[in-house]
Amino acid sequence: ELQLLESGGGLVQPGGSLRLSCAASGFTFSSYDISWVRQAPGRGLEWVSGVSGSGASTYYADSVKGRFTISRDKSKKTVYLQMNSLRAEDTAVYYCAKLDGSWGYLYFDYWGRGTPVTVSS
Amino acid sequence: EIVMTQSPATLSVSPGERATLSCRASQSVSSNLAWYQQKPGQALRLLIYGASTRATGIPGRFSGSGSGTDFTLTISSLQSEDFAVYYCLQYDKWPPFTFGPGTKVDSK
Repeated sequence: ELQLLESGGGLVQPGGSLRLSCAASGFTFSSYDISWVRQAPGRGLEWVSGVSGSGASTYYADSVKGRFTISRDKSKKTVYLQMNSLRAEDTAVYYCAKLDGSWGYLYFDYWGRGTPVTVSS
Repeated sequence: EIVMTQSPATLSVSPGERATLSCRASQSVSSNLAWYQQKPGQALRLLIYGASTRATGIPGRFSGSGSGTDFTLTISSLQSEDFAVYYCLQYDKWPPFTFGPGTKVDSK
C-alpha cells in the first residue's frame, strides 16, 4: 500500500527553523517527484516546493524561496523540507504529495495526512 | 502565475441530488486540470485528472468536463460521504502549481 507519512512539525518562534520529513513507502521512490503543499488555518491549498525523482531539480514558491530547502534521501526513502527564518504566515498544516503524469504534466496523486507547523512567540 | 477560481464557495445539496462545481483558470490550461476531495482528518483524495479521467477507485457518480479555462466537476447523485471541500488544481504551467480556493459541499 502506498503511504506518505509526514513528521517534524511543531511550535517554533519567529525567525526559527524546523525540518519536516516525509517517509514514503509502497512505490519506487526514485521514480517520482514529491512536493510539499501547505494549508493555513481555515484557508486553501498552497504549493510550497517540489523535488524531482532523482533529486537533481528543485522548485520553490516565491513565498519561501531563499528560506526553505527541499531534499531527498534515496536510502531512507524520505523527502525533507528544511524551513529557516520562519514567519507567522508560514503557520499551516504541511502535506507531502507524490506526483504522477507524463511529458512534464504532473499532478498530485497521493497525499499524506500532514504535519502542523505553528510559528508564534 | 495562473490564478484559479471556483464557484460557488458553498453548495448546499440534499443526498441524491446532483451537484455541479465550477473551476476557472485565468488563462488556458488545456486539459491539465485535476480535482481533489478533502475531508477533516483524512488525506486529500484525487478524484479526476486530465480534466475528465477518473482516478483509480473513484465512483462513477463523479465526472469532470471542460478544457481551456472552464471546467466542471459533477456529482450525479450525492451520497452522504461526499460532503467535503473540493479543490481544482492546474498543472499546465508550473512552477508554481496553483489550486482554486475550494467549494464546500454541505447538507441542505
